[in-house]
Amino acid sequence: EDKVVQSPLSLVVHEGDTVTLNCSYEVTNFRSLLWYKQEKKAPTFLFMLTSSGIEKKSGRLSSILDKKELFSILNITATQTGDSAVYLCAGSKTSYDKVIFGPGTSLSVIP
Amino acid sequence: DGGITQSPKYLFRKEGQNVTLSCEQNLNHDAMYWYRQDPGQGLRLIYYSQIVNDFQKGDIAEGYSVSREKKESFPLTVTSAQKNPTAFYLCASSMSGGAYEQYFGPGTRLTVT
Repeated sequence: EDKVVQSPLSLVVHEGDTVTLNCSYEVTNFRSLLWYKQEKKAPTFLFMLTSSGIEKKSGRLSSILDKKELFSILNITATQTGDSAVYLCAGSKTSYDKVIFGPGTSLSVIP
Repeated sequence: DGGITQSPKYLFRKEGQNVTLSCEQNLNHDAMYWYRQDPGQGLRLIYYSQIVNDFQKGDIAEGYSVSREKKESFPLTVTSAQKNPTAFYLCASSMSGGAYEQYFGPGTRLTVT
């Protein structure tokens, strides 16, 4: 059965800290790994990773995929209170459009 | 202004009543999805559709039904057979083929008492 596991499930840090969120997956016919940020309602897309070892960056956020070890990390440097959210990791499949989501990591950044 | 709309934002129903949640997109996406999110949990797939007039069950389809008569619209009916319908429901769409990210609507919070 396909599954995506995230750790930690929740995290509290102070502004300015650097955090690393982990995602491991077991997805048959794996195509890509996706990261989303969910603040209150709709998740918003952050990254899609298809190739191993190539870091994707967007401002203070970066992510990398290891297809051999079946995991991905999302790094956030110099955290701000606006980074407080649930971060969802998901694996997509080549065979059809289904995406398997992990439980999310709830990040709280305190001033 | 392209995007996905869901209505209503909040919905209250009595037990035993069917209720339909609306989802419309003007992104010209082929694929559409319905997810359920419970407190502290990730997204669980209810139904998805890759093309008009075709849809597949997700992981938790029991007690739900959908239709896809138009490309833009993918309504979800929560039937009285769904044992625990109170939840946050999210609709999403994507370009087809599995290689594209999903775009999400704002969600509908359904409360059944």
